[in-house]
Amino acid sequence: DADVTQTPRNRITKTGKRIMLECSQTKGHDRMYWYRQDPGLGLRLIYYSFDVKDINKGEISDGYSVSRQAQAKFSLSLESAIPNQTALYFCATGGYGTDTQYFGPGTRLTVL
Amino acid sequence: GENVEQHPSTLSVQEGDSAVIKCTYSDSASNYFPWYKQELGKGPQLIIDIRSNVGEKKDQRIAVTLNKTAKHFSLHITETQPEDSAVYFCAASIGDTGGFKTIFGAGTRLFVKA
Repeated sequence: DADVTQTPRNRITKTGKRIMLECSQTKGHDRMYWYRQDPGLGLRLIYYSFDVKDINKGEISDGYSVSRQAQAKFSLSLESAIPNQTALYFCATGGYGTDTQYFGPGTRLTVL
Repeated sequence: GENVEQHPSTLSVQEGDSAVIKCTYSDSASNYFPWYKQELGKGPQLIIDIRSNVGEKKDQRIAVTLNKTAKHFSLHITETQPEDSAVYFCAASIGDTGGFKTIFGAGTRLFVKA
């Protein structure tokens, strides 16, 4: 089984809808991240969390919110989706004391 | 702000040839440089990394070099195989900070022709 899972894998929605993307991990890592990937722009950090009570904004947090429900779960929400939020979204985890990040398979989100 | 430039954006090589991808970074505080490989439909996976106290690191057919003075680092893949075809991302980070200061390059799409 995959160590970092994301649901859904694909989602098509309409402008103005609320969307939640979920991430679960079995790696036992404290650190979790949400990234957005756009063609030609690489990966950009949206939010990150170092433990259940810790939430931090990344480079591009506007229009997004997150919830760290447990050590193993980190959800990303788009309160009112807009077309320029169409992108590939990745969740990642990292262990304390290491710099390596482990990515999930991604969620392709399309906002019409 | 801080950035990482990656070149080329697309690279096509013949099977068995070498491939080189180059990155430059702007934050002189960066001291950890990972490389990720992203296959179609999957998330990025770490393939090799290097820290600023090392100039070169090799793992079988892949190697990474770092020139800290020039703020350049490169990925070298020798004896390329079709399964090396993927998108490769470089990144620059300040180590031991939990990764939130990781800046990724835009990616290089590598095609290995059989």
